[in-house]
Amino acid sequence: QQPVQSPQAVILREGEDAVINCSSSKALYSVHWYRQKHGEAPVFLMILLKGGEQKGHDKISASFNEKKQQSSLYLTASQLSYSGTYFCGTATGNQFYFGTGTSLTVIP
Amino acid sequence: AAGVIQSPRHLIKEKRETATLKCYPIPRHDTVYWYQQGPGQDPQFLISFYEKMQSDKGSIPDRFSAQQFSDYHSELNMSSLELGDSALYFCASTYYTGELFFGEGSRLTVL
Repeated sequence: QQPVQSPQAVILREGEDAVINCSSSKALYSVHWYRQKHGEAPVFLMILLKGGEQKGHDKISASFNEKKQQSSLYLTASQLSYSGTYFCGTATGNQFYFGTGTSLTVIP
Repeated sequence: AAGVIQSPRHLIKEKRETATLKCYPIPRHDTVYWYQQGPGQDPQFLISFYEKMQSDKGSIPDRFSAQQFSDYHSELNMSSLELGDSALYFCASTYYTGELFFGEGSRLTVL
């Protein structure tokens, strides 16, 4: 039931772009994205509720392809503060499962 | 604004002991989730409550139990602790399966 993310890890230089993918073997009705810094709680980034929906704020955006059961998170002009582990997540009833996670490291 | 409050923040126990973690969700949130996160792992869904009733179970061991009380706070009870139970335990609350708001977590160390 757990969504699979790719890549598992990525290292960027400041200003570079990255794409993180989230794929599910089951139907996705909504997709959440969270960022977690080491030792801290996950922090909500955004939620996509409809297939084809795209959202974004600042330089972080996401898309949701309901038919393909996939979502992608786009980080543009990365900043040092973007470093962390990114998780997609999906709800089924009152179960909420996180994806496998993507570790993102931004270096100067 | 009120956030999700978890206690204790840190807990050290011996093998085979019991531990209880508490979670106070954001007022008016109707759903509470518990997660276990081992070092370098993604958060694993344990159990959820909707309006004080157990809603769904994930990978929660039989040694663990949880409940939600009339004031909406929730407790995760862990018995016969094993070394592998050492982890960060997060509680999250939400309203109508929207954004999950997480507590700061309770770090359990089993020696």
